[in-house]
Amino acid sequence: DIQMTQSPSSLSASVGDRVTITCQASQDISNYLNWYQQKPGKAPKLLIYDASNLETGVPSRFSGSGSGTDFTFTISSLQPEDIATYYCQQYDNLLPYTFGQGTKLEIK
Amino acid sequence: EVQLVESGGGLVQPGGSLRLSCAASGFTFSSYDMHWVRQATGKGLEWVSAIGTAGDTYYPGSVKGRFTISRENAKNSLYLQMNSLRAGDTAVYYCARQGYSGYDYWGQGTLVTVSS
Repeated sequence: DIQMTQSPSSLSASVGDRVTITCQASQDISNYLNWYQQKPGKAPKLLIYDASNLETGVPSRFSGSGSGTDFTFTISSLQPEDIATYYCQQYDNLLPYTFGQGTKLEIK
Repeated sequence: EVQLVESGGGLVQPGGSLRLSCAASGFTFSSYDMHWVRQATGKGLEWVSAIGTAGDTYYPGSVKGRFTISRENAKNSLYLQMNSLRAGDTAVYYCARQGYSGYDYWGQGTLVTVSS
């Protein structure tokens, strides 16, 4: 199985800050990488697919980049409603589509 | 509007069985691969099973032989039969639609608690 290593596991930032989360795959997954946002008590929500494509309706302050084994998720200007846990997920070819461990984002 | 609504969760004793259902609406259910993903309290997301449009099924080693995923396209429904349940299976179970590249729609989840 492909392992996904996400960091940091938690992050505290101020409103307006630029926030960056990284995800590393245990092998080359091309751009088969998604990012999800999960708010407490809610189901995850797909934000970015194919490493860098914004899902319809997702604010443009969210972005993703990377290919191969190293990926980055960025919030350009943190807003209070962005408080959540963020997960990366690979979907390269075969199941399982493994998730990263998650990054819990809090307001400082 | 796409909707996925899970049901069937509850409290079950170790070794017991439970059947989860997911009612789909707002899209052509038969045209999509469907998945079950679970999340233990305070933990991350874990893929549990998948079923393709042709009825092909997939499981991780942790549930293979104990869980069975199925679908009934005429009823726009997805199921997860869970047998020989263990404490480690305690989690919120989500059904999710596999879109072009990720899980583009999720249900609200149903809680399964395995405890004596």
